[in-house]
Amino acid sequence: NAGVMQNPRHLVRRRGQEARLRCSPMKGHSHVYWYRQLPEEGLKFMVYLQKENIIDESGMPKERFSAEFPKEGPSILRIQQVVRGDSAAYFCASSPSTDGRGEKLFFGSGTQLSVL
Amino acid sequence: GEDVEQSLFLSVREGDSSVINCTYTDSSSTYLYWYKQEPGAGLQLLTYIFSNMDMKQDQRLTVLLNKKDKHLSLRIADTQTGDSAIYFCAEISPGDYKLSFGAGTTVTVRA
Repeated sequence: NAGVMQNPRHLVRRRGQEARLRCSPMKGHSHVYWYRQLPEEGLKFMVYLQKENIIDESGMPKERFSAEFPKEGPSILRIQQVVRGDSAAYFCASSPSTDGRGEKLFFGSGTQLSVL
Repeated sequence: GEDVEQSLFLSVREGDSSVINCTYTDSSSTYLYWYKQEPGAGLQLLTYIFSNMDMKQDQRLTVLLNKKDKHLSLRIADTQTGDSAIYFCAEISPGDYKLSFGAGTTVTVRA
């Protein structure tokens, strides 16, 4: 049973380009959470999705950021027109139920986004 | 949960005990967690404690919770080189699904 898979591991973009980060949850998990870790800060919640639904996007910047979790395929976090301040590690986690408590969450290895 | 604070670095000699400290501000926190992140890997849940407990022990790991002071600690006995990693403290409030994390403590084990 593969864990939460994120790709790419490292992504380099120039300012103004688009970044697409992918997350495949663990098998049987239908709940996905995205967290962002800025340098020397803790992980911060961004968005919570279930299949085809955004449940809570309160932690996501209102502009340039979007997330989806289609019926088929991975969850995608999309950042348009990236700026240097978007440089961070983006972590995805999945859970089998609506209970996102830590002991039921499984994290991926993260995508390190670097904006030049 | 909002603010979770940790010291950023800890250096410990192999075989000694490590103690990593964390403070939090949300008095309604119900679960408090310790995660470990090794280089290039995701966060691995090490242990957790429910807010009505004072202590939890799991092999080399001991978690102490002081609710009055909102202070959480993780003690690693007989620290090994494989314990070198970043350790994150996190908490969650009742009915919530958003974890609040500290910035992580980088533990370096020296021979």
